[in-house]
Amino acid sequence: QVQLQESGPGLVKPSETLSLTCDVSGYSISSGHYWGWIRQPPGMRLEWIGSIYHSGSTSYNPSLKSRVTVAVDTSKNQFSLKLSSVTAADTAVYYCARVGGPFNMWGQGTMVTVSS
Amino acid sequence: EIVLTQSPGTLSLSPGERATLSCRASQSVSNSYLAWYQQKPGQAPRLLIYGASSRATGIPDRFSGSGSGTDFTLTISRLEPEDFAVYYCQQYGSSPRTFGPGAKVDI
Repeated sequence: QVQLQESGPGLVKPSETLSLTCDVSGYSISSGHYWGWIRQPPGMRLEWIGSIYHSGSTSYNPSLKSRVTVAVDTSKNQFSLKLSSVTAADTAVYYCARVGGPFNMWGQGTMVTVSS
Repeated sequence: EIVLTQSPGTLSLSPGERATLSCRASQSVSNSYLAWYQQKPGQAPRLLIYGASSRATGIPDRFSGSGSGTDFTLTISRLEPEDFAVYYCQQYGSSPRTFGPGAKVDI
């Protein structure tokens, strides 16, 4: 059974870089699929951040593109998210997901708060 | 960017009743690449419907989707207690992928 698990700091200071990792189990990232990050600020709608293929090909939401890097490490069967120059507006629950057209498998999510 | 709106924002119903949720897109959704998700408090969204009308694996047949172009509908034929949740539509036909604001089905 495919499982995804996010990990990373729950508190990040303004202007610093948010870094999260998604560990995938039960499925080899190298086998295919795109893998993505989605976030949900408190009380707001879900927002797609970006996606990556196992080959390293990426696509990003234009609203975040200048600050986002998504990378994949097939040897560890995980992918990662870096979001630079964070502000309070980046406070959200961050989810990783498998992309099969729609997002067909999700991690449980991790809350990240941006505060000094 | 395709903007999705959902109506109604909240639907108050009882178990056994029928729920009809609407999702409207600001422009046509390519290939009817429209999905519906269910989210309960403290949980990740769960894929219910993809391609506007195909049920995801393990989803009960009381959930059905329809529509094309800019207008889509999620129907829950007979509400079970576990169906009271927030429902989101999402389009994946064009980039960036976008979500609707959500619609709450409560008792």
